[in-house]
Amino acid sequence: AAGVIQSPRHLIKEKRETATLKCYPIPRHDTVYWYQQGPGQDPQFLISFYEKMQSDKGSIPDRFSAQQFSDYHSELNMSSLELGDSALYFCASSLGRAGRNYGYTFGSGTRLTVV
Amino acid sequence: AQKITQTQPGMFVQEKEAVTLDCTYDTSDQSYGLFWYKQPSSGEMIFLIYQGSYDEQNATEGRYSLNFQKARKSANLVISASQLGDSAMYFCAMREPQESGGSNYKLTFGKGTLLTVNP
Repeated sequence: AAGVIQSPRHLIKEKRETATLKCYPIPRHDTVYWYQQGPGQDPQFLISFYEKMQSDKGSIPDRFSAQQFSDYHSELNMSSLELGDSALYFCASSLGRAGRNYGYTFGSGTRLTVV
Repeated sequence: AQKITQTQPGMFVQEKEAVTLDCTYDTSDQSYGLFWYKQPSSGEMIFLIYQGSYDEQNATEGRYSLNFQKARKSANLVISASQLGDSAMYFCAMREPQESGGSNYKLTFGKGTLLTVNP
C-alpha cells in the first residue's frame, strides 16, 4: 500500500539558507500535518492543511511557511535557517477527521541539519 | 500544560518478558483517541495501537495491548514477550481538536519512553 512520501530524506543547509521539504500524502487523504522533532524531543505540531486550506497552526516560526497544492501534496518552506532548526521533520496525512486505527500515517521524515 | 504524560524516560526489560509503558492524559473532551507509536533509532514513526474513548474493550494488536482506564485517564501500553527489536522510543499521543475548530484533529505527543530490551 502507498505510504506518505517525504523528500528529501536528508538535507544539509548552512545558516541563513532556505530549505523546502515536500510531502506526498496517501492517495485520497485530504489532510496533511507537519511536525518538528528536535534531538531527543517529542514531535511538536507545526501546521496542518485540510482541502488545501490551512486548518491549524502550532509552534511554527514566522520564518517558515507551508501550503497544500491541488494534488494534495504539501511543501514546508523554511527561510533564514538557524542552527536550532536542525531536526527531524515529519509529515502525516489523514482522511478528514482522523478516525480509529491508522487515522494518521506518518512519512519517514526529513532530517534537516543546519551547519 | 502537558496533556500527555509519560513518566518513564527509560525502561529496561529482559528478552521474552512483558513490559508496561505508562501514559496518562488530560482532556475535557468526551470523544478522544489515544495512540501509541514506536520510533526506532532510524527515526520513522510506526503506528502500534489505537484506543477510542468510547471503546469498551481494551485494544489489542498482536503482542501489543492497551490497558485503558478511563476514570484514571491512563492508557498504558503492554508489550508481551519482548524482543530485541522492540528496543526503541515509544510515544503516547492523543487526538485532540484543532484550535481552529472544525472537524479536524491533531495529535499531541508525550515526551516518550526509551525502551531497551536486554538479551
